Amino acid sequence: EPEVTQTPSHQVTQMGQEVILRCVPISNHLYFYWYRQILGQKVEFLVSFYNNEISEKSEIFDDQFSVERPDGSNFTLKIRSTKLEDSAMYFCASSEHGPLKQFFGPGTRLTVL
Amino acid sequence: GENVEQHPSTLSVQEGDSAVIKCTYSDSASNYFPWYKQELGKRPQLIIDIRSNVGEKKDQRIAVTLNKTAKHFSLHITETQPEDSAVYFCAASMVEYRNKLVFGAGTILRVKS
Repeated sequence: EPEVTQTPSHQVTQMGQEVILRCVPISNHLYFYWYRQILGQKVEFLVSFYNNEISEKSEIFDDQFSVERPDGSNFTLKIRSTKLEDSAMYFCASSEHGPLKQFFGPGTRLTVL
Repeated sequence: GENVEQHPSTLSVQEGDSAVIKCTYSDSASNYFPWYKQELGKRPQLIIDIRSNVGEKKDQRIAVTLNKTAKHFSLHITETQPEDSAVYFCAASMVEYRNKLVFGAGTILRVKS
């Protein structure tokens, strides 16, 4: 069964540094999402992406965040200047039909020191 | 925007007993309600979902019920097993607008053997 994959599994960075989190969605999916989960808390929506543009973004997704689909398979989340409060698990998700049946990747644990 | 409340936050049941987790949503336009299971350190996995044109859906030991009038939906797990122990998240969305999933805070289910 196809799965969403993410790299790296764990990223440690210094405050102020840029990080890029990578995702490979399921190949026939058209809708892509990033969510984050601070330890012990609920999953929070960051951004959705469809047809090579952002569909929706949350208040968390400020100017420090950007997403890109640089080729036909990868979907990336960039944080330009990381803050301590960006420490969280970041999940990529993809689906064929919008919010229906979103499949999540294994996550990237981002630790900002 | 949509807000999803989930109860209880923790639930302990004896193996073989049933477990019920309840969620309420605020936006009457929401029409898609998935449930995700997240084991410790793993990705959220879709276990069942329901759209607002049906009141109940069942898949083996798990079922979801939806009351649109009251704006609440519930997950029912029968004959619980130790491997059902996990965090369960409900979510809500609007299909037509390719909308994000809004998650509840999660329920830690412990099945004691």
